[in-house]
Amino acid sequence: GAVVSQHPSWVICKSGTSVKIECRSLDFQATTMFWYRQFPKQSLMLMATSNEGSKATYEQGVEKDKFLINHASLTLSTLTVTSAHPEDSSFYICSAIGTGASYEQYFGPGTRLTVT
Amino acid sequence: GNSVTQMEGPVTLSEEAFLTINCTYTATGYPSLFWYVQYPGEGLQLLLKATKADDKGSNKGFEATYRKETTSFHLEKGSVQVSDSAVYFCALNAGGGADGLTFGKGTHLIIQP
Repeated sequence: GAVVSQHPSWVICKSGTSVKIECRSLDFQATTMFWYRQFPKQSLMLMATSNEGSKATYEQGVEKDKFLINHASLTLSTLTVTSAHPEDSSFYICSAIGTGASYEQYFGPGTRLTVT
Repeated sequence: GNSVTQMEGPVTLSEEAFLTINCTYTATGYPSLFWYVQYPGEGLQLLLKATKADDKGSNKGFEATYRKETTSFHLEKGSVQVSDSAVYFCALNAGGGADGLTFGKGTHLIIQP
């Protein structure tokens, strides 16, 4: 149980275009989802926290107009990278917390974004 | 701010060797501490956790003890197997609830038969 999926697993897009990444909790309802970014040989950096039905909370230094997060249902959160640039190329990972009291985060497999 | 420092890899060991991966942290208050493991092509999985000082988390032969006096949470296993080859991340939750995690850089462990 507690499976989180991400789609797509990898994507290549051209500079200036937008790309959407989906994060789904497959067998539980996720009240809170998180988006992380991972650079090669670096740790995961928290980008934002999204709660179902409310606006996402972004970490300092993360551009909210560039990284649009929508958490429209208890099983789906989306991250849209707008007007992508090569420096946005990275590995994006989502995680989700269920409705229980343990606050354990379940992680998706990640999405590799390459902007050319 | 909060931070996690863990030993750089890759760490290469022979099967049945003893494993230690060091992890130290900086945080305000009393964070919860975690070790996550990532196998190739898969998402991070929780390996073990500890929520207060002197707690010992354990799972699949791995152990880590929350040492507040040394702000450490070192991961140990007495006898590693080839199947333990993966990337290991130490992490903390400073808020204690539904907060994002602060991660170390990860340690790539390679076990040779």
